[in-house]
Amino acid sequence: AIQMTQSPSSLLASVGDRVTITCRAGQDIKKDLAWFHQTPGKAPRLLISATSSLRSGVPSRYSGSGSGTLFTLTISSLQPEDVGTYFCLQDFRFPHTFGQGTKLEI
Amino acid sequence: EVLLVESGGDLVQPGGSLRLSCAASGFSVDRDYMTWVRQAPGKGLEWVAVIYSAGSKHYADSVRGRFNISRDNSRKRVSLQMDNLSVEDTATYFCARWGATCGGRSCYEFWGRGTRVTVSS
Repeated sequence: AIQMTQSPSSLLASVGDRVTITCRAGQDIKKDLAWFHQTPGKAPRLLISATSSLRSGVPSRYSGSGSGTLFTLTISSLQPEDVGTYFCLQDFRFPHTFGQGTKLEI
Repeated sequence: EVLLVESGGDLVQPGGSLRLSCAASGFSVDRDYMTWVRQAPGKGLEWVAVIYSAGSKHYADSVRGRFNISRDNSRKRVSLQMDNLSVEDTATYFCARWGATCGGRSCYEFWGRGTRVTVSS
């Protein structure tokens, strides 16, 4: 299975901050990387697919970049509703695998 | 409207079995990749299994040989048969569709709300 290493595991930031989360794949996954946001008791919400494709309804302050083995999720100006846990997922090859998650607090 | 509703979660003893079900509406389960993802209490997400095409399947190493994913196209349901359960299988199990809904590319856009499985004596 392709291992996904996400960092940091937790993050404390302030409203208005620029926040970056990194995900590293154990092998080349091209651009087959997605980002999710999850709050307690809820299902994950897809933010970005295929590295940088922002899903409908997701605020434009979110962006994704990268290719191969290194990927980043950036929140350009942190808002209170952005708290929660962020996960990356490689959907290049089965079994798909998630990163360990980044808990974001304000 | 796409909707996924899981059911079947329960308290089960170690070594026991449980069958989860995912009822799908708004699309055909035989035309997309249907997956199960789980999340242990306070932990991260773990991809579990997928079924697609004519019945091809893949599993996470942690469940291979114990879990079986299946599909009932006419009833628009996907099931997860879980055998020889251990306490490490305690989790909320989500049904998710990996479908071509993201600009023609497959993505995990649709999820159910999950069903809780507790393995304990």
